Amino acid sequence: EVQVLESGGGLVQPGESLRLSCVASEVTFSSSAMNWVRQAPGKGLEWVSSISGSGGGTYYADSVKGRFTISRDNSKSTVYLQMNSLRVEDTAVYYCAKGGRLVGASHFDYWGQGIVVTVSS
Amino acid sequence: QAVLTQPSSLSASPGASATLTCTLRSDINVDTYRIYWYQQKSGSPPQFLLRYQSGSDKLQGSGVPSRFSGSKDASANAGILLISGLQSDDEADYYCMIWHSSAWVFGGGTKLTVL
Repeated sequence: EVQVLESGGGLVQPGESLRLSCVASEVTFSSSAMNWVRQAPGKGLEWVSSISGSGGGTYYADSVKGRFTISRDNSKSTVYLQMNSLRVEDTAVYYCAKGGRLVGASHFDYWGQGIVVTVSS
Repeated sequence: QAVLTQPSSLSASPGASATLTCTLRSDINVDTYRIYWYQQKSGSPPQFLLRYQSGSDKLQGSGVPSRFSGSKDASANAGILLISGLQSDDEADYYCMIWHSSAWVFGGGTKLTVL
């Protein structure tokens, strides 16, 4: 059974950095696009970033462009989200979700349970 | 104007049908998009329900009952999620999603109450 597990969340102050990790097991990881989606408290889903299977294609929401960087290590079946210059409005549950072969061409079929990121002074 | 607009809430009775809409911004044509639908129950991650592009290009999520179905209303420029034979377990938030301008876009979500 496919499992997706996020880690690395926590409480940080505005302007600080945090790196989230996501391990996906029992999948052909290098053939799967990976995605980060967040949900602020009491709010809806917001797509954050996606990365192609090879890592050669990366995509970002305007709200995080220039501050967040997505990357992956296929040898470890892990995708990362480096979050710099964090703002209070980045406070959310961050979900890692597995996509299909191509970014933009398939749904998110497996999701992690989410990891909490709180940005507060 | 948001790319995708969903009613914030909808109520329906057990056994009835619920029609959830996802209206695309007027400058983008629903006919050219695959509409993805997700269900999120309280305290849980979203789950994929189905994808709908056309009658010949659709995908039901694994284990998703056939009483969940997708369609489009071209006149309203909207994607539709129809849930028939409502059950109490269908009470959840429902989100639509499209791939637009090299970005995934979610609608604001509809909270479905079954009472």
